[in-house]
Amino acid sequence: DTAVSQTPKYLVTQMGNDKSIKCEQNLGHDTMYWYKQDSKKFLKIMFSYNNKELIINETVPNRFSPKSPDKAHLNLHINSLELGDSAVYFCASSQDRSLEWRDTQYFGPGTRLTVL
Amino acid sequence: AQKITQTQPGMFVQEKEAVTLDCTYDTSDPSYGLFWYKQPSSGEMIFLIYQGSYDQQNATEGRYSLNFQKARKSANLVISASQLGDSAMYFCAMREGRWSGGGADGLTFGKGTHLIIQP
Repeated sequence: DTAVSQTPKYLVTQMGNDKSIKCEQNLGHDTMYWYKQDSKKFLKIMFSYNNKELIINETVPNRFSPKSPDKAHLNLHINSLELGDSAVYFCASSQDRSLEWRDTQYFGPGTRLTVL
Repeated sequence: AQKITQTQPGMFVQEKEAVTLDCTYDTSDPSYGLFWYKQPSSGEMIFLIYQGSYDQQNATEGRYSLNFQKARKSANLVISASQLGDSAMYFCAMREGRWSGGGADGLTFGKGTHLIIQP
């Protein structure tokens, strides 16, 4: 059984379009995250959600919006896509009941977004 | 300033040799966790090993061990008896605690080391 899953795995779209990436975890974790990995392989946190509440929101454009219908899902919506949004987007989750800095984050397989 | 520094962009190692991947970190928080992830060419992020700032002993997981030197703020990953399948990108990451308690924070990653195991 897949612990953290993302769909789609590949996403190719035109500039200006709106797209969504879905993420689901079946680990019963309390916190979910979105990370962006750029062309140089650098990973950076974008958002985290804990119990449907946005905990951190790094300085990402407001064209990006996370939406969590329930604790097991955290979707990423991107409006008005730009060339610079091309990257691999990873969803992750961690238990985070207490002493969060100790909790391992488990990653989904990633979604490679290409904006033409 | 970078919080996680991995000084080896790439490494070539002969199969069956031991490998040490360097990682230094910077934090003023007494509570933090250090993590290593492996990213093979297929792209997924695989968790390898964890070390907590209060842990007295170095972490070990099978062929992976973490050489934790707190005073030097280093957390090097050691892979014993390397295998061809170990060829991948390796990322060191840190998660800091909060004095106030509670709240979630993301991982801060280093730039990674591309390890290539040669037969």
